[in-house]
Amino acid sequence: KQEVTQIPAALSVPEGENLVLNCSFTDSAIYNLQWFRQDPGKGLTSLLLIQSSQREQTSGRLNASLDKSSGRSTLYIAASQPGDSATYLCAVRPPFNQAGTALIFGKGTTLSVSS
Amino acid sequence: EADIYQTPRYLVIGTGKKITLECSQTMGHDKMYWYQQDPGMELHLIHYSYGVNSTEKGDLSSESTVSRIRTEHFPLTLESARPSHTSQYLCASMGQGTEAFFGQGTRLTVV
Repeated sequence: KQEVTQIPAALSVPEGENLVLNCSFTDSAIYNLQWFRQDPGKGLTSLLLIQSSQREQTSGRLNASLDKSSGRSTLYIAASQPGDSATYLCAVRPPFNQAGTALIFGKGTTLSVSS
Repeated sequence: EADIYQTPRYLVIGTGKKITLECSQTMGHDKMYWYQQDPGMELHLIHYSYGVNSTEKGDLSSESTVSRIRTEHFPLTLESARPSHTSQYLCASMGQGTEAFFGQGTRLTVV
């Protein structure tokens, strides 16, 4: 059964730091991997989607990498800002032709950026 | 921009009441999902649908039921709410080979 782990569970940094959030998954047979942001009491906002054939995706100050063979993904946030404070969730999608292709989530990393 | 909507955003209701949480999307996605999330905890899949008249239970056992009569609409119903149903419910949709999009969630409190 696929399991997703995110390390660290919580992270506090001063404004301006570059930081890396880690995600690992136990079964390398995935269709894609998606990073989300969740603000307290809100829904999820999609940040980056990496297909299984891709190595990385970039959007603004965010860069996500994928090493499917080792079951790892990282989310790199450059020049962090207080507005980046949120919980970041990693989710993997099983192969397309499997029953139940819902996303499987990690528990998230809660980021706090102080000014 | 994601076009998936959940109503209500917040709901406080008494024990024993019947409630329906609404979820609608305008992206024409076939796949839709309901997740349950307790405060500070991970998301757990409770229901999913691959299209009209298709519904399945997820990994987490739930006393709720769902229906999918129209592609764009995937409501979740609790016939008799209990305090143990207090949680946040998140609806999502996914197109073929594309991103998953989530609604803003419904925070349910049963008193």
